[in-house]
Amino acid sequence: QKEVEQNSGPLSVPEGAIASLNCTYSDRGSQSFFWYRQYSGKSPELIMFIYSNGDKEDGRFTAQLNKASQYVSLLIRDSQPSDSATYLCAFLTGNQFYFGTGTSLTVIP
Amino acid sequence: EAQVTQNPRYLITVTGKKLTVTCSQNMNHEYMSWYRQDPGLGLRQIYYSMNVEVTDKGDVPEGYKVSRKEKRNFPLILESPSPNQTSLYFCASSLSPSGGWNEQFFGPGTRLTVL
Repeated sequence: QKEVEQNSGPLSVPEGAIASLNCTYSDRGSQSFFWYRQYSGKSPELIMFIYSNGDKEDGRFTAQLNKASQYVSLLIRDSQPSDSATYLCAFLTGNQFYFGTGTSLTVIP
Repeated sequence: EAQVTQNPRYLITVTGKKLTVTCSQNMNHEYMSWYRQDPGLGLRQIYYSMNVEVTDKGDVPEGYKVSRKEKRNFPLILESPSPNQTSLYFCASSLSPSGGWNEQFFGPGTRLTVL
């Protein structure tokens, strides 16, 4: 059974702070990793994807991948109230996607 | 507008009454997939399709059927729904699961209640 574990949350950070979201995965053969944001009652939307070890930055978001440790994280800099949502970690193995249960983030104004 | 559409968005039905949830994408994506989302269990893949006439089971396929007769459409069929299939269902598509083009785009969701 392939598993994705996310820090359980909920996570609260003040506006302007850095939010750190973490995820571990069980399958060493995983080749692609994703972070999705899901607002309450809405569908998931892609924030970042990463394939290679190291960091990938996109605006206020940075994804970090460490395949040796089977660990992927998402940093949100200068957090805004609009970042309040559930963040889903996902990975792709073969042709199947596996998702974590999500971490709820609240950014307090 | 590039999008994935699902219908219906909300459905209340009774045990055993066959139903179909439609999914359509206009992005010429090869890969399509169905998920269910339940509290505490996250998103779980039900079935996926690599291309027309090619479908495969995901993690939770029991009680579901799919077909892929056209590239744009990927309906989810519940032949005899049961209360444990009450859930929020999402259809998703991506250009291809392999290579660099495997970001998935999700439909708006279908909330199904089986009484």
